[in-house]
Amino acid sequence: KAGVTQTPRYLIKTRGQQVTLSCSPISGHRSVSWYQQTPGQGLQFLFEYFSETQRNKGNFPGRFSGRQFSNSRSEMNVSTLELGDSALYLCASSLEGARGRNIQYFGAGTRLSVL
Amino acid sequence: AQSVAQPEDQVNVAEGNPLTVKCTYSVSGNPYLFWYVQYPNRGLQFLLKYITGDNLVKGSYGFEAEFNKSQTSFHLKKPSALVSDSALYFCAVRENAGNMLTFGGGTRLMVKP
Repeated sequence: KAGVTQTPRYLIKTRGQQVTLSCSPISGHRSVSWYQQTPGQGLQFLFEYFSETQRNKGNFPGRFSGRQFSNSRSEMNVSTLELGDSALYLCASSLEGARGRNIQYFGAGTRLSVL
Repeated sequence: AQSVAQPEDQVNVAEGNPLTVKCTYSVSGNPYLFWYVQYPNRGLQFLLKYITGDNLVKGSYGFEAEFNKSQTSFHLKKPSALVSDSALYFCAVRENAGNMLTFGGGTRLMVKP
């Protein structure tokens, strides 16, 4: 079974631009979560989608948004990029069941550099 | 609010020696606890989880973790370290109500030959 696939692996953007990152979950997984990883703040939860609906949201500004499609694939968008948005963005997918018991499986991430 | 602390930024151990990576947590409800490992330029790989039941949980690659409710700890252990175990280790907690993981700051494990 293929794992979580994130594209692209690397991105370089300039301040003020916007960017879209893509995530394809493991086949059969309907929950997709996004995390931001930086040296200073560590791993922080961005949001979670299930059945095309945002179910949880972390403490990030409205410039960060996402969506999920009917095939469970997800995209996240960051508008008006700032230098501080430079990070590794990780996507995770999981089966739905008793939520606390689910295991989240992570993709390799998209490394975004904002110049 | 839930939180996780990994008190050591780095742990050094000689190959063949036992290793322990420490984690303490704080949640208001029942804790679901996880350990993940991250190799350079890679995502997170799941190692093991504690949901309920036995306090000693066995996971991948010979790792195990001990859940201690009174000390709110979930330390990762391995009886005999390998050089290939050198990586960044993250402890995470999820509460009953949500599907969101809260991570500790990570501990870099260095295993020297």
